[in-house]
Amino acid sequence: GAGVSQSPRYKVTKRGQDVALRCDPISGHVSLYWYRQALGQGPEFLTYFNYEAQQDKSGLPNDRFSAERPEGSISTLTIQRTEQRDSAMYRCASSFRENNEQFFGPGTRLTVL
Amino acid sequence: AQSVAQPEDQVNVAEGNPLTVKCTYSVSGNPYLFWYVQYPNRGLQFLLKYITGDNLVKGSYGFEAEFNKSQTSFHLKKPSALVSDSALYFCAVRDGRQLTFGSGTQLTVLP
Repeated sequence: GAGVSQSPRYKVTKRGQDVALRCDPISGHVSLYWYRQALGQGPEFLTYFNYEAQQDKSGLPNDRFSAERPEGSISTLTIQRTEQRDSAMYRCASSFRENNEQFFGPGTRLTVL
Repeated sequence: AQSVAQPEDQVNVAEGNPLTVKCTYSVSGNPYLFWYVQYPNRGLQFLLKYITGDNLVKGSYGFEAEFNKSQTSFHLKKPSALVSDSALYFCAVRDGRQLTFGSGTQLTVLP
């Protein structure tokens, strides 16, 4: 299939460890978005890119969270010194252009022990 | 900031009956509204969107949504529900370039 893919699908880590979550958008999609979804809630915006440029990172909760998309395709969301409150589903989406509908990947379920 | 509200956490409907999942919005300017569906262990799937034009928007899997400016609503509808429609449904509004989602409505279609 040619959808958005994310890896790993599940990640269990210990508090204090760093984690890197990967997103591979639909080929040719310019815009890429990261969201976080707590259980029983809707996704909440974290950050987005157009090509390799990070356009908005206002949703990143603190400076332990960072994201990059160095070649304008694959993106990595990194969480340093993880805390239990970081446990959530992390979803990536891509769109052809900024104003087009967003297509979501299956998500990465992060559990911090 | 833009926001949407989904007043019902849970909606139950019998198979074959019409279904409605409610959404109201609060925006400044023109609203850009979306519906997504989430099946267990799968990503969010795009159903339909309203940008401009006809108030009745048709989407995937036989779903449609009615945009009502006076009531600031964008309810999701389907004339005849299927058991396979059982899922979690999210209404969303474009806020800048990001989407702001509602809290979701769990739809259960009973056989």
